Amino acid sequence: QVQLVQSGAEVKKPGASVKVSCKASGYTFSAYHIHWVRQAPGQGLEWLGQIYPKSGATEYEQKFRGRVTMTTDSSITTAYMELSRLTSDDTALYYCAREDWKYDYWGQGTLVIVSS
Amino acid sequence: DIVMTQSPESLAVSLGERATINCKSSQSIFYSSNSKNSLAWFQHKPGQPPRLLISWASTRESGVPDRFSGSGSGTDFTLTISSLQAEDVAVYYCQQYYNTPRTFGQGTKVEIK
Repeated sequence: QVQLVQSGAEVKKPGASVKVSCKASGYTFSAYHIHWVRQAPGQGLEWLGQIYPKSGATEYEQKFRGRVTMTTDSSITTAYMELSRLTSDDTALYYCAREDWKYDYWGQGTLVIVSS
Repeated sequence: DIVMTQSPESLAVSLGERATINCKSSQSIFYSSNSKNSLAWFQHKPGQPPRLLISWASTRESGVPDRFSGSGSGTDFTLTISSLQAEDVAVYYCQQYYNTPRTFGQGTKVEIK
């Protein structure tokens, strides 16, 4: 069965970076895009970007360009999302999702708290 | 960017009654290659990831109760819960996957009256 398992919660200080992992299993990792979506407290869902594991091609939401880096390690079928220069506005639940046009499988979410 | 606008922001419906959520895209999301509308509906409950209910505007996903249905085409779409159950209390989002950036509606909170 398809599963996406994300890394645990993180607490970071403003200005720091965070790297969230998303371990995929139960399907051919290289064949599907992985997208990253976040939800800040009391807010809706926000798209950060996507990566295609087969080629490593990425596309980022404009507001995050220069701060976000998405990578994959196909040897361990894991995707990563790193966000730098964190501020309190980056406090959110971060999700990875497999894309088959639609988002058919999601990770459980990783809470990132940015606080001094 | 395609802007997705949902209405209403919140909705209180009696158990067993119908709930209707609207979603409008700022441009057509009709994908001519397969003659389908690139729209998904998600149910989101606290502490859980979003759950895909409907894809291609009207295709119910496996395991989703048949009280959930999606309709619409072009720029105007609707999610209907035909007979609201207690477990349907959640926030519902529409999302377009016609192009990037992928964009979501702002969400509709469904509660029991």
